[in-house]
Amino acid sequence: GAVVSQHPSWVICKSGTSVKIECRSLDFQATTMFWYRQFPKQSLMLMATSNEGSKATYEQGVEKDKFLINHASLTLSTLTVTSAHPEDSSFYICSAREGAREQYFGPGTRLTVT
Amino acid sequence: KNEVEQSPQNLTAQEGEFITINCSYSVGISALHWLQQHPGGGIVSLFMLSSGKKKHGRLIATINIQEKHSSLHITASHPRDSAVYICAVRSPDKLIFGTGTRLQVFP
Repeated sequence: GAVVSQHPSWVICKSGTSVKIECRSLDFQATTMFWYRQFPKQSLMLMATSNEGSKATYEQGVEKDKFLINHASLTLSTLTVTSAHPEDSSFYICSAREGAREQYFGPGTRLTVT
Repeated sequence: KNEVEQSPQNLTAQEGEFITINCSYSVGISALHWLQQHPGGGIVSLFMLSSGKKKHGRLIATINIQEKHSSLHITASHPRDSAVYICAVRSPDKLIFGTGTRLQVFP
């Protein structure tokens, strides 16, 4: 199947700093990318959907000024957690899709804010 | 009531057993996904179905659109199959996730 990569796979940062997570589609053009958040033993929660070249659409309750999403190319989307706080500690997963085809998931990024 | 329900929530099996995980949904869908998540978090897409049946190795997925039901079968289960299996439906353009089935296969 198609491959989606994420970088970094884990990151520890201090409270108040910003962290950027990259998501890349390696062998297809990701016209749509999704960012999810997952708390321990819970299901994935959609944070936002982005189409290449357009502004991301955020789900209700997700602060767009805190979670900045950029999808500037057909192979790369970034999620920046600004002014991170301990409650932002979570597992962040990106997913990508070309058109209406199958959706593929990245391996996830574990963020710990101290 | 959740739009996507999975059963069972937890499942233990002995190596070699045949395993079935069920998924029922209450919304109109364009596709249904079966996903696997291992400890450590990475998610692997096992199948995307819109009708009928698909097979990959020891895994078989079926869907009945009229009954809004899908099953994931694992034949000759192995300890490395231990993971959380997640059913997700695309409706209309977003995925709605089930709560997952935690499978443990013991040698």
